[in-house]
Amino acid sequence: DIQMTQSPSTLSASVGDRVTITCRASQTISNWLAWYQQKPGKAPKLLIYEASTLESGVPLRFSGSGYGTEFTLTISSLQPDDFATYYCQQYSTYITFGQGTNLEIK
Amino acid sequence: QITLKESGPTLLKPTQTLTLTCTLSGFSLRTSGVGVGWIRQPPGKALEWLALIYWSGDNRSTPSLKTKIIITKDTSRNRVVLTMTYVDPVDTATYFCAHIRRYYDPFRGEYLPLVDHWGQGTLVTVSS
Repeated sequence: DIQMTQSPSTLSASVGDRVTITCRASQTISNWLAWYQQKPGKAPKLLIYEASTLESGVPLRFSGSGYGTEFTLTISSLQPDDFATYYCQQYSTYITFGQGTNLEIK
Repeated sequence: QITLKESGPTLLKPTQTLTLTCTLSGFSLRTSGVGVGWIRQPPGKALEWLALIYWSGDNRSTPSLKTKIIITKDTSRNRVVLTMTYVDPVDTATYFCAHIRRYYDPFRGEYLPLVDHWGQGTLVTVSS
């Protein structure tokens, strides 16, 4: 199984901050990586796929990068609506999710 | 507009069988390339993929639960069903079904599944 490890588990930040979340795969997954945003009591929402492609309708302040085993999600200027939990997910072999990063207000 | 809606029991006893139905709208299981998957999330924990099935009937399950879960489709009713046997309290979770978009990997010559649209989820509690 491919394991996905996210860091940090919790991230405290303020509106306007630039934040980065890291995701590491236990083996190479090329660029078959997606990022999701989940708010309490809601289903996840797809933000980015193929490591760096923005899903339609997702604000441009979200960006993704990486290849192989190391990936990042960056939010260039945090907005109040962005405080949520973020998950990375590989879909190279089956599907596995990271453990999540809780982005909270500082 | 793609929508999915999960339905099924909210409370089960250990060893019982869980059957969840995902009703699809805005897309059809008759369409080539279409896929639907199931993902669950225990309270306060991370997401776990369970299984997926394509329009063709081809299906995959997470290896750790392969002997416990079955995924099937009812094309005429545009529904996907997840069956999980011998449930345990650790199976308490919100169960989501989701639409899958396929991407072709030319290096391996195979299609890969991207989860793009999710249902609202349904909470299933297993308790004696």
